[in-house]
Amino acid sequence: GESVGLHLPTLSVQEGDNSIINCAYSNSASDYFIWYKQESGKGPQFIIDIRSNMDKRQGQRVTVLLNKTVKHLSLQIAATQPGDSAVYFCAETPVYNTDKLIFGTGTRLQVFP
Amino acid sequence: SQTIHQWPATLVQPVGSPLSLECTVEGTSNPNLYWYRQAAGRGLQLLFYSVGIGQISSEVPQNLSASRPQDRQFILSSKKLLLSDSGFYLCASYGTGAYEQYFGPGTRLTVT
Repeated sequence: GESVGLHLPTLSVQEGDNSIINCAYSNSASDYFIWYKQESGKGPQFIIDIRSNMDKRQGQRVTVLLNKTVKHLSLQIAATQPGDSAVYFCAETPVYNTDKLIFGTGTRLQVFP
Repeated sequence: SQTIHQWPATLVQPVGSPLSLECTVEGTSNPNLYWYRQAAGRGLQLLFYSVGIGQISSEVPQNLSASRPQDRQFILSSKKLLLSDSGFYLCASYGTGAYEQYFGPGTRLTVT
C-alpha cells in the first residue's frame, strides 16, 4: 500500500559493487510494476518495468525480478556508480484501476568510493 | 517523447495566501494527468488525477483543489495555504504505451 509517511530506508554500497533494492507490494492483483529513480531536487525518472506475466527483465546494468508468490519486487544494479546515488521507488498498477500507480516507500541508495 | 513543464520551480508563500501551480504537457494528447506531493525525505502522495478535461479525482481530502481547463494543462490551487502544505509538488502524465508515468521537474513550495 502507500507509505508516504515513512522515512526512507538507506542502502549504502561501495562503488563497483552490485546493489539490490527490494520492494514488497501490496496487491496480488497488480499487473504492472515500475522502478523509478529520483535524484535530489528532481522528479522521478522511469528506469525499468515488468508485467506480471514475467519474472525477470533486464535493461542496461539493471535487472528487475518479480516474485508473485511472496509479492516481492527487486531492482539489481550492476557495478554501482556514484551517479546511481538517488532514491529508488517501486510502483504498481492495480488491475482494478489502471489509471493510477501505487508507489512504495522508496529506498535511498548511497554509493561511496 | 513527451515533456512536462511545471512552474514556478520554487515558491515561498505566507500562511493563508492563495496558491496556483501550473503543469503543461507536450508531445502527447489526451493524457492522464497527476498531482503528487512529496515531503522532504518521504514518498510520493497522490493528490489528484484527471483522465480528461474537467474530470478530476481527489485522493486525499485537504484544502487543495485541481482543475484541468485544457487537454494538456493541469492546475493545482488553494484558497488559503497551511504550513502543512509545504512540500515538493510533482505533476505527472501517462505515456502512450503502457502504464509508466512521466514526471515534471517539480515545484518546491515553502509555506511560512
